Parts: sequence; structure tokens; C-alpha cells
Amino acid sequence: DVKVTQSSRYLVKRTGEKVFLECVQDMDHENMFWYRQDPGLGLRLIYFSYDVKMKEKGDIPEGYSVSREKKERFSLILESASTNQTSMYLCASSLRQGSYEQYFGPGTRLTVT
Amino acid sequence: GEDVEQSLFLSVREGDSSVINCTYTDSSSTYLYWYKQEPGAGLQLLTYIFSNMDMKQDQRLTVLLNKKDKHLSLRIADTQTGDSAIYFCAETSPSGGSYIPTFGRGTSLIVHP
Repeated sequence: DVKVTQSSRYLVKRTGEKVFLECVQDMDHENMFWYRQDPGLGLRLIYFSYDVKMKEKGDIPEGYSVSREKKERFSLILESASTNQTSMYLCASSLRQGSYEQYFGPGTRLTVT
Repeated sequence: GEDVEQSLFLSVREGDSSVINCTYTDSSSTYLYWYKQEPGAGLQLLTYIFSNMDMKQDQRLTVLLNKKDKHLSLRIADTQTGDSAIYFCAETSPSGGSYIPTFGRGTSLIVHP
């Protein structure tokens, strides 16, 4: 069974704080993704990575950065959290070949006050 | 860009069949997926279908693909209250150079007694 874990289920941070969200997968997947999910807007891709130390911008990268130092771990960083980054953050992983289905973590609900 | 459309809500009575519909625009779509998201959780892959198939059945789930009309449906037989969730349709078109799924905005399925 593929397992994707995220470091926190709920997080409350103050405006201006630096925030780290971590994601770990145990199935040796090459691809990893960060999405945010907001009511009425569906899933929006923030960043993705197809290999260690590689990263690509998604649809809404502004205000975020990522790090992938090891194949199994993909971190999302909010350099200076703002209230409009209050959201549900979902991490996913997939193989680089085959049927490309994504496996998701349980999500982190981040509130920025 | 390519698009995936779903209706936002579906309400059914327990024991009835549910049919969730999805349309997509990318004619090179190769894999089409259905994901389920329960409240407060991440997305869980339910099933996927390859574009050269018309139908796939897995226990209570039946996926129908009409490639000519670019229409995908998910039928849940004998719907139970535990099926209440948001259902996301998604597609990838690796031949078009991308393995990143395009998601619909999700259909909220409400099952009432």
C-alpha cells in the first residue's frame, strides 16, 4: 500500500511567520506534488518535482517555495505567511511511468491569523 | 488550457444508484480517473480507465467512457451513507507531454436515508 504522510493535520501560524509543510512517501515515486484546495476552487497545483533537487512551478507558485533533497521527501515553504494562504494543503506522489495515478496524503489544514 | 467539468452536487436516496458525470476537452487524454475525498481527508484513488476502454467495473463501481463525446461517468450501485463524499474526475495526456492530471472541481454526493 502506497503511503503518503504529511507532517501535520492542523497548523495555526501568525502572519509573517515562516512555515514548513513536509510530505513523505514510501513507494519510491519520482514525482511529487503540492496542491492547495479551497472551497469552490477545486485543487490548484502550487509546485511539483520530478526528481531530487528538481522543481517546477505549477499554477499558483507565488508566495511559496519547495525543497526536494531526498527522493521520498518534498517540503513546501511559506516564506512569510499571509492570511490568504489559509487553506487545505495536499501532497501527492506518482510514478513517472505507467498510469500516472496520484496518491495523496491526508492534508494539512493551515490557518494563518 | 484543457478543462474538466463536473456538476457540483448530486443528492440520492440510500439504496439507489448514483451517476456522477464528467466531461473533458483534451482529445489526447489517455488515462481518466475517479478520486473520492471524505470530509477533512485527502483524495483517494477509486479507479481509473485507459482511453481504449469503454467500461470498467469494480464491485459497486462502474466507469463508462464515451471517447467520442469526451464523457466519463461513475455509477455507484446501492449507494450507502458512507459513499457521501466529494468525487473528482481527472485526466492525463502523457502523449501530450504532461503526466500531471487535470482535475475537475468535484461533485459533492449527498446520500440521505
